[in-house]
Amino acid sequence: GENVEQHPSTLSVQEGDSAVIKCTYSDSASNYFPWYKQELGKRPQLIIDIRSNVGEKKDQRIAVTLNKTAKHFSLHITETQPEDSAVYFCAALKRTGFQKLVFGTGTRLLVSP
Amino acid sequence: DSGVTQTPKHLITATGQRVTLRCSPRSGDLSVYWYQQSLDQGLQFLIQYYNGEERAKGNILERFSAQQFPDLHSELNLSSLELGDSALYFCASSPRQEDNSPLHFGNGTRLTVT
Repeated sequence: GENVEQHPSTLSVQEGDSAVIKCTYSDSASNYFPWYKQELGKRPQLIIDIRSNVGEKKDQRIAVTLNKTAKHFSLHITETQPEDSAVYFCAALKRTGFQKLVFGTGTRLLVSP
Repeated sequence: DSGVTQTPKHLITATGQRVTLRCSPRSGDLSVYWYQQSLDQGLQFLIQYYNGEERAKGNILERFSAQQFPDLHSELNLSSLELGDSALYFCASSPRQEDNSPLHFGNGTRLTVT
């Protein structure tokens, strides 16, 4: 199949805690994995992406890890802040057949002050 | 601002009608993608164009069609509208034909079918 599974669907944390969102993909040929943040009623915005030639990438409080053998990748947010509250989507580039970016079902993150 | 422009922002119409959604990609981007997002749902890929040609199709209904024009703007046509077509429709663009370049989304068109 071409599914990207994303867990959890909702995540509530206290301000300052870490948040981890996990995704698995099925196409072993996938080589590009972006993460998008979508605030209520707004457009998805790219926050970080990783290509299959690296296992980890960091950008300030955000990091993404990739395990190609297990076909899963994760988003890590440290020192969470209320403004991190949003829906986060992972995606994987499906390369078997015609190429397209397949999105996960989203994780609603709520950071409480 | 992503540089991707979508019009109109909001559209309210009745069942059975036909509407056209418009997208202008970022300057220099050749690929345009259309996604549908129903309430509290994920992003469903509809269709992709590259430099005027259809390149990939997702779960796009036969009632829906799209095209990309020589100036690279794209239009998504939705006909015989049903209540279930109410959703946010996003356009995204990327520079290259290869899909491993970042997608930049427009602000979307919110379609309400009554």
